[in-house]
Amino acid sequence: QKEVEQNSGPLSVPEGAIASLNCTYSDRVSQSFFWYRQYSGKSPELIMSIYSNGDKEDGRFTAQLNKASQYVSLLIRDSQPSDSATYLCAVNSFGNEKLTFGTGTRLTIIP
Amino acid sequence: NAGVMQNPRHLVRRRGQEARLRCSPMKGHSHVYWYRQLPEEGLKFMVYLQKENIIDESGMPKERFSAEFPKEGPSILRIQQVVRGDSAAYFCASSPGATVSWSSYEQYFGPGTRLTVT
Repeated sequence: QKEVEQNSGPLSVPEGAIASLNCTYSDRVSQSFFWYRQYSGKSPELIMSIYSNGDKEDGRFTAQLNKASQYVSLLIRDSQPSDSATYLCAVNSFGNEKLTFGTGTRLTIIP
Repeated sequence: NAGVMQNPRHLVRRRGQEARLRCSPMKGHSHVYWYRQLPEEGLKFMVYLQKENIIDESGMPKERFSAEFPKEGPSILRIQQVVRGDSAAYFCASSPGATVSWSSYEQYFGPGTRLTVT
């Protein structure tokens, strides 16, 4: 079982709709959760971090964490063509700062 | 407010040569991490360093690879006797360090060095 799993996609969403990206993790002591956006040929860009159960909103982005289900998600409201990218879920564990990444979900926003 | 800097951005080496990749963390950040991204694969952790100390090198191959973060100057990832399988994008990230708040765990990535071994 992979430590961090994401649906590789591609996920196609019409412009203006809500894009929903999901991630599950296997290590129960995981502590910090991050979403990165990576455009083709570019480096990962941190867009959201979440540390406690519930929702965290930042502009058009909402991260949701459910530690009991070992599940973290990212919602993108009012999707724009510029949101088309690969979204990487990353996790670290208590006392261990290295990030474990999922393989990413490729998102395409259709104008 | 400069971000994480890496150089060179592109590096071509012949098999058997040495590759040196440099990383300067964001201002105020004392923790440096190196990750490798192979074509069509995810990011894989290699090594985590603080000034003059290697904290975790569990992801780094035991042979040919080494890393340092000296008291002065950038962090360096060194690959000796490169092979074709070393061709990848190497990313450096930095963080303030897990001392003050949860946000201290946030890692910010540099633009990467794309290594091609011919």
